[in-house]
Amino acid sequence: DSGVTQTPKHLITATGQRVTLRCSPRSGDLSVYWYQQSLDQGLQFLIQYYNGEERAKGNILERFSAQQFPDLHSELNLSSLELGDSALYFCASSGGGTIKETQYFGPGTRLLVL
Amino acid sequence: DQQVKQNSPSLSVQEGRISILNCDYTNSMFDYFLWYKKYPAEGPTFLISISSIKDKNEDGRFTVFLNKSAKHLSLHIVPSQPGDSAVYFCAASDGYGGATNKLIFGTGTLLAVQP
Repeated sequence: DSGVTQTPKHLITATGQRVTLRCSPRSGDLSVYWYQQSLDQGLQFLIQYYNGEERAKGNILERFSAQQFPDLHSELNLSSLELGDSALYFCASSGGGTIKETQYFGPGTRLLVL
Repeated sequence: DQQVKQNSPSLSVQEGRISILNCDYTNSMFDYFLWYKKYPAEGPTFLISISSIKDKNEDGRFTVFLNKSAKHLSLHIVPSQPGDSAVYFCAASDGYGGATNKLIFGTGTLLAVQP
């Protein structure tokens, strides 16, 4: 158990809909990272927040947005969903904001868009 | 364009033998490399890392080798155990000096250790 929790575990929705994925980092961790893993793909970095502020951005679509709240939990919002958005979405956390610090991953949210 | 490549989707090894997982990268600016292990229905777990100032890093049964001129790294597991059966992801970053916090992951290699 990494100490990172993600809800829900599974999500089935329709094209055009909007969903919110939630992540609670390990106790004391200030950084949250979001990743997308599509079929036969490696993990694609989406975005990082550090203590409530956006720190780094990856290949995140404009239809996707994220935020980190004062209690440090984070939410990833996916809107106008398309079939291709079906994937595993992982959240990871680390103590600080640098790459040298180990990122601890949650179990992921499996999203299926029909 | 896949900057981090793991060309072997799967590898099968006998228990007690050496497992060698390979990873190639294209970006010469990468200065920090990591290996993660992933079991089904779980998130990836950090295994071992190496910065570009080293060519080898060892942690118990796990050793990572880095060949910068060939843009190649490998993970050696000796001896392999059935519990090592998992998907192994290679990841790289050009952020060791603080420039970025992005990790670029490969597509993974499924290791099966046969008893």
